[in-house]
Amino acid sequence: GAGVSQSPSNKVTEKGKDVELRCDPISGHTALYWYRQSLGQGLEFLIYFQGNSAPDKSGLPSDRFSAERTGGSVSTLTIQRTQQEDSAVYLCASSPEWGVGTEAFFGQGTRLTVV
Amino acid sequence: AQSVTQPDIHITVSEGASLELRCNYSYGATPYLFWYVQSPGQGLQLLLKYFSGDTLVQGIKGFEAEFKRSQSSFNLRKPSVHWSDAAEYFCAVAHNFGNEKLTFGTGTRLTIIP
Repeated sequence: GAGVSQSPSNKVTEKGKDVELRCDPISGHTALYWYRQSLGQGLEFLIYFQGNSAPDKSGLPSDRFSAERTGGSVSTLTIQRTQQEDSAVYLCASSPEWGVGTEAFFGQGTRLTVV
Repeated sequence: AQSVTQPDIHITVSEGASLELRCNYSYGATPYLFWYVQSPGQGLQLLLKYFSGDTLVQGIKGFEAEFKRSQSSFNLRKPSVHWSDAAEYFCAVAHNFGNEKLTFGTGTRLTIIP
């Protein structure tokens, strides 16, 4: 497809389990971003990639969260030992180039529910 | 640290009426400001953005926003809303260089009544 694709669209997991969330950016987009959308918290920046490197990981909530990007394309956000407070919609976005204001195109998100 | 405030959590407007959604930011340098819309089950879509120059910016779907430095505001307006405008609207600010992570407001949910 032409847009940012995220999978799965919904994920229910038990507390303490690990989960992987996948993002396929728009082909050719060099920048990729992860955000989290929680009730009452709004949209929260997690991490971004320029190519395969992540210059700023300061938004990751804890060391249980990690992300990688390979081949300048697909990115995976991994949450280890999930907690109930991790329940949220995780949004991925990509943009065609680096720089402020370059429009970021968002996927529809992965809704994570930790029970 | 930069921050964005959207003081209205929920707004209800009659179809055909005018709309103004408020956004205030706190940022020391020249802000880069954005409005995004999120329709039910959809991803975020950029409506418009402001970097510099003319303080009144035009966006898609008939929306416009005005940057007022003296008020630290970037309010979104539309002269006549349509039922399809019902959605959640987010204001956001970005760093001016270094990285472009967006700081979002908490959003305003817009309901349109016939």
